[in-house]
Amino acid sequence: AQSVTQPDIHITVSEGASLELRCNYSYGATPYLFWYVQSPGQGLQLLLKYFSGDTLVQGIKGFEAEFKRSQSSFNLRKPSVHWSDAAEYFCAVGAGTSGTYKYIFGTGTRLKVLA
Amino acid sequence: DTAVSQTPKYLVTQMGNDKSIKCEQNLGHDTMYWYKQDSKKFLKIMFSYNNKELIINETVPNRFSPKSPDKAHLNLHINSLELGDSAVYFCASSQDKRGPKNPYEQYFGPGTRLTVT
Repeated sequence: AQSVTQPDIHITVSEGASLELRCNYSYGATPYLFWYVQSPGQGLQLLLKYFSGDTLVQGIKGFEAEFKRSQSSFNLRKPSVHWSDAAEYFCAVGAGTSGTYKYIFGTGTRLKVLA
Repeated sequence: DTAVSQTPKYLVTQMGNDKSIKCEQNLGHDTMYWYKQDSKKFLKIMFSYNNKELIINETVPNRFSPKSPDKAHLNLHINSLELGDSAVYFCASSQDKRGPKNPYEQYFGPGTRLTVT
């Protein structure tokens, strides 16, 4: 069955420190992979996506993610975290074919940033 | 220039009532979705519509009835509201065709926080 696992429910980092949020997926075909961020009381904003090609993808706000097929992972990274990055982060895999497409989300990782 | 909009943003109601949430997208997409985010922040798809046709119905109680009057709108009507329906409901849309740009990227609305008392 298709699934997405985000092993870390909560992560706390100091401002200026590096960040890595883990995401593992289970999907039979080539996955479409996404990272979204949700600030408190807000909707979902797309950070970055992977469809094909270069396995290191750059996103907005200085985020990047690397697709590793052998590890079924799509981890999100940022070299230096800002206080405004505190939010909930969701990894998602796009599953299905044209017309039946849907996202399967991970359970999210809540990021806390210490000043 | 809002891409995906939802109304209302907040909805507080009592058990047993019937309520509707509206969603509109001005992106020209042909597929729209409803997702539910529960109190633990878990997001799960409820429905999808492609060109006004129901495509995905993820074992949602039939008290929930989506309606798509046209490609740009997808409304969610909920009958006999229960406490467990309290959640944030997100509408999303995508252009569900292969093409040079982001064929399966979904754009989300701001969410509707439903509280059932």
